[in-house]
Amino acid sequence: ETGVTQTPRHLVMGMTNKKSLKCEQHLGHNAMYWYKQSAKKPLELMFVYSLEERVENNSVPSRFSPECPNSSHLFLHLHTLQPEDSALYLCASSQDGASSVTSNTGELFFGEGSRLTVL
Amino acid sequence: AQKITQTQPGMFVQEKEAVTLDCTYDTSDQSYGLFWYKQPSSGEMIFLIYQGSYDEQNATEGRYSLNFQKARKSANLVISASQLGDSAMYFCAMREGTSSGYALNFGKGTSLLVTP
Repeated sequence: ETGVTQTPRHLVMGMTNKKSLKCEQHLGHNAMYWYKQSAKKPLELMFVYSLEERVENNSVPSRFSPECPNSSHLFLHLHTLQPEDSALYLCASSQDGASSVTSNTGELFFGEGSRLTVL
Repeated sequence: AQKITQTQPGMFVQEKEAVTLDCTYDTSDQSYGLFWYKQPSSGEMIFLIYQGSYDEQNATEGRYSLNFQKARKSANLVISASQLGDSAMYFCAMREGTSSGYALNFGKGTSLLVTP
């Protein structure tokens, strides 16, 4: 069992639906991330939360809405998505601020991802 | 501009042989960190190895080693004594001093297939 748990693992939704992806980390970390992984493209950083505050919104369309109620939980609310939004959405966590950029104690721990299909 | 370049979309290696997965990076920062992750078909990204820009020695973790050539801006992953379970996608990633939180920039990945 990983330290980062994502639900649901698979989701199929229509373009008019509203759904949410959930991420929970059991590692005591204080930073959480959403990445999008599409076929044949690099992982794209979507959102970063550090100490429950959003520090990065990487030009993501407003149909994606993140929520971080506490340091252990992260949500991605989905509304009126497009077929091109179909992808694997990966959640990650890390211990922010504990070390410098050049230290290996800040690696990201990932969940297994939520596979989203938009019809 | 792409910060991490992995030029090998797919690689084959025979079991028990060594394989090198290429990674070049682009940054103007003096302080940065380089990571390699493995992604099996289950989807989870598994951290393998890390190299800091100031580290003078190449990083090693069991069968994984990182061939760090700073002047060439390359950070190739070497897997020795390949096993069937090494078949997966492998991603090179970089954290720069300007990264938000500790976010990583990833390359497109290399698909490795280990054959018997």
